[in-house]
Amino acid sequence: NAGVMQNPRHLVRRRGQEARLRCSPMKGHSHVYWYRQLPEEGLKFMVYLQKENIIDESGMPKERFSAEFPKEGPSILRIQQVVRGDSAAYFCASSRPGQGSMAEAFFGQGTRLTVV
Amino acid sequence: GEDVEQSLFLSVREGDSSVINCTYTDSSSTYLYWYKQEPGAGLQLLTYIFSNMDMKQDQRLTVLLNKKDKHLSLRIADTQTGDSAIYFCAESKAAGNNRKLIWGLGTSLAVNP
Repeated sequence: NAGVMQNPRHLVRRRGQEARLRCSPMKGHSHVYWYRQLPEEGLKFMVYLQKENIIDESGMPKERFSAEFPKEGPSILRIQQVVRGDSAAYFCASSRPGQGSMAEAFFGQGTRLTVV
Repeated sequence: GEDVEQSLFLSVREGDSSVINCTYTDSSSTYLYWYKQEPGAGLQLLTYIFSNMDMKQDQRLTVLLNKKDKHLSLRIADTQTGDSAIYFCAESKAAGNNRKLIWGLGTSLAVNP
């Protein structure tokens, strides 16, 4: 059973381009969480998704950022018109339905986005 | 407030015990977690404690929780060079989305041979 797979591991984008980060949850997991780790800052919650449904997007920047978790395929975090301040490590985690905490969630290795 | 605070650095000798401390501000927190992050790697859950517990032990790891002082600690016995990493303390809330973790900045543990 493969773990949470994120790709790409490293992504370089020029300012103004779009970044698409993918997260394939573990088998049987239908809940996905995205966190961002900015340099010199801690990890911050971005969004919590279930398949075809956004549960909590309170941590998502109001503009340029969107996330989806379709019925089929990976969860996608999309950043439009990237700026240097978007450079960070983006971590995805997944868990099974019906579990009451993050104790049963597993994190991926992260995607390190660099905006040049 | 939503602050979780940790000291940024800790250096110990191999074989000694390491104690990493964390303070949090939200008394409604339900779960408190310790994660480990090795260089360039993902986040590995080491252990967690439910807020109605005082202590949890798992092999070389001991977690102590003082709810009155909102203080959490992680003790690593017989610290090895492989324990060198960044250790994050995180909390989740009782109300609303308890998958929304509030994280400390991390304590960088250096283990010297």
